[in-house]
Amino acid sequence: EAGVAQSPRYKIIEKRQSVAFWCNPISGHATLYWYQQILGQGPKLLIQFQNNGVVDDSQLPKDRFSAERLKGVDSTLKIQPAKLEDSAVYLCASSFDRDSEQFFGPGTRLTVL
Amino acid sequence: QKEVEQNSGPLSVPEGAIASLNCTYSDRGSQSFFWYRQYSGKSPELIMSIYSNGDKEDGRFTAQLNKASQYVSLLIRDSQPSDSATYLCAVRKGYTGFQKLVFGTGTRLLVSP
Repeated sequence: EAGVAQSPRYKIIEKRQSVAFWCNPISGHATLYWYQQILGQGPKLLIQFQNNGVVDDSQLPKDRFSAERLKGVDSTLKIQPAKLEDSAVYLCASSFDRDSEQFFGPGTRLTVL
Repeated sequence: QKEVEQNSGPLSVPEGAIASLNCTYSDRGSQSFFWYRQYSGKSPELIMSIYSNGDKEDGRFTAQLNKASQYVSLLIRDSQPSDSATYLCAVRKGYTGFQKLVFGTGTRLLVSP
């Protein structure tokens, strides 16, 4: 069974630029999560989708972050404009349903200069 | 007070010893508790889950839960250098269908040969 796929794996941008990350969850998984993990900290949930609907985006900085999962499968997370403090690893995870084990993708390491 | 607290470490143990990792949580209503292992530069991987008071054993790993004290621990017996990683404690909060994982900052474990 293929795992959660993410791209790109690494991205370096300058502040005020925009960036987008892509995630393809495990086939059949209805729930998709985006986490932000700053160096030395645990992952922090940014947004959770159930199929193509948003379940929880309470910790998503909506003035600069946006995410979508239009067809209920893959998802994109966008940052526009980026700030220095956005430097982090962005992890995508998926689960069969909202109460099942979450499987994480390899992450995208973002560096904002 | 942080929702999930862990000592950041590093916790250093010699090969073959027992490593004891601890975690406390603030939400007394939490019902599900997880330990993830994260190797440097990699994504978190679930190694143990525990839902009721007491001990749960899986191979060299034992998770312990004490809801009255709001305390979760992970014991690793016969520690190996390959166990060197950051161990993240996670607590699931919310209610069925609308739950999210809250992670601690992780404890870095170093097992020396």
